[in-house]
Amino acid sequence: GAVVSQHPSWVICKSGTSVKIECRSLDFQATTMFWYRQFPKQSLMLMATSNEGSKATYEQGVEKDKFLINHASLTLSTLTVTSAHPEDSSFYICSATRAAGGETQYFGPGTRLLVL
Amino acid sequence: AQSVAQPEDQVNVAEGNPLTVKCTYSVSGNPYLFWYVQYPNRGLQFLLKYITGDNLVKGSYGFEAEFNKSQTSFHLKKPSALVSDSALYFCAVRDRDEGNNRLAFGKGNQVVVIP
Repeated sequence: GAVVSQHPSWVICKSGTSVKIECRSLDFQATTMFWYRQFPKQSLMLMATSNEGSKATYEQGVEKDKFLINHASLTLSTLTVTSAHPEDSSFYICSATRAAGGETQYFGPGTRLLVL
Repeated sequence: AQSVAQPEDQVNVAEGNPLTVKCTYSVSGNPYLFWYVQYPNRGLQFLLKYITGDNLVKGSYGFEAEFNKSQTSFHLKKPSALVSDSALYFCAVRDRDEGNNRLAFGKGNQVVVIP
């Protein structure tokens, strides 16, 4: 299999606080993980590409200081939304590709963030 | 740059009838093509992919898709739709000749299977 988990599945926080979301590949090693954002009834918007042991590559228009990404191991990447505001409320989804020549992205179940 | 078009917003089909979800793509080089399905408040589940070889690929839950290079299409099909197939379907493409794994997604098609 190729199972990707995310934690937490949902989170409610106050404006100005920071929220960390974890993405784990449970049964494979992932050199590359991706972070997406999805608005209701819309497609996925790629935020950044995360490679193990190196800095993430952010898409145009995504603030790297706002959305901190760490990919410290081959099975874990984290996304931290710093100083969250209501406009950051969204569904955040991660995906991972296998370390050995993987072309398929396997997706986590998503994290619903609501900033009050 | 790569892109995907899914021309229909919603596809309605009666249970037991054939289901088709359309997808056309654009890449500079050769494509890797994917279909994913998303149920409400969930992540995307991988259905099938075309990498190379046979143009007709079979995937999970009885779905299949046909790669048509001349029409740059990769339509998803299922011979007999089930109510449980009602979900959001995304087509995605990656340029095989680029050095990254970035996918371009279509906007998604809502499939509604009517009992």
